[in-house]
Amino acid sequence: DARVTQTPRHKVTEMGQEVTMRCQPILGHNTVFWYRQTMMQGLELLAYFRNRAPLDDSGMPKDRFSAEMPDATLATLKIQPSEPRDSAVYFCASGSGGGLGGYTFGSGTRLTVV
Amino acid sequence: GESVGLHLPTLSVQEGDNSIINCAYSNSASDYFIWYKQESGKGPQFIIDIRSNMDKRQGQRVTVLLNKTVKHLSLQIAATQPGDSAVYFCAENPGTASKLTFGTGTRLQVTL
Repeated sequence: DARVTQTPRHKVTEMGQEVTMRCQPILGHNTVFWYRQTMMQGLELLAYFRNRAPLDDSGMPKDRFSAEMPDATLATLKIQPSEPRDSAVYFCASGSGGGLGGYTFGSGTRLTVV
Repeated sequence: GESVGLHLPTLSVQEGDNSIINCAYSNSASDYFIWYKQESGKGPQFIIDIRSNMDKRQGQRVTVLLNKTVKHLSLQIAATQPGDSAVYFCAENPGTASKLTFGTGTRLQVTL
């Protein structure tokens, strides 16, 4: 089965440190999403890309978060500097344009900032 | 993945019974809807989708109903099994590009 691969699965870091999360979308998928999931806010869309171009990053705190797609096989989400309130599970999802058939989610990166 | 929300609505169903999970959406411009299942420690998993030009769609043991008049979506699971225990999310595409907005989720507990 084709799958979205996220690394690392778990990350514990100290406040102020840079965190980089990586995602390998399913080959051939041209739309990539970053979501954050917390107990209080549920699943929040942070950013998404179509054909590697950012379409919407309005859900992302711009001062500390950045999302990029250096190539079609890699999407990254960086937090610099990290804060305890960034602790959450971060999911990457990929799909074909138009969303038909839904989007496939990775297993997530559980981030803890202490 | 974390369960979502301190006060996730919970539906408790006996094994073998049918389950109905409801979702109210807010954007009348939404034209595409998806149900996802999320098990503990995993990402959301696609179950079934429906476009706004339909009011019903069936899959294997699952049926999605869409009522655009009252902006309501439901997921019906036939003959619920212990493996169906999870948090279920509805998601809507508001018709702009391809982004999905997720609801808060419902926890389904299947009792033996």
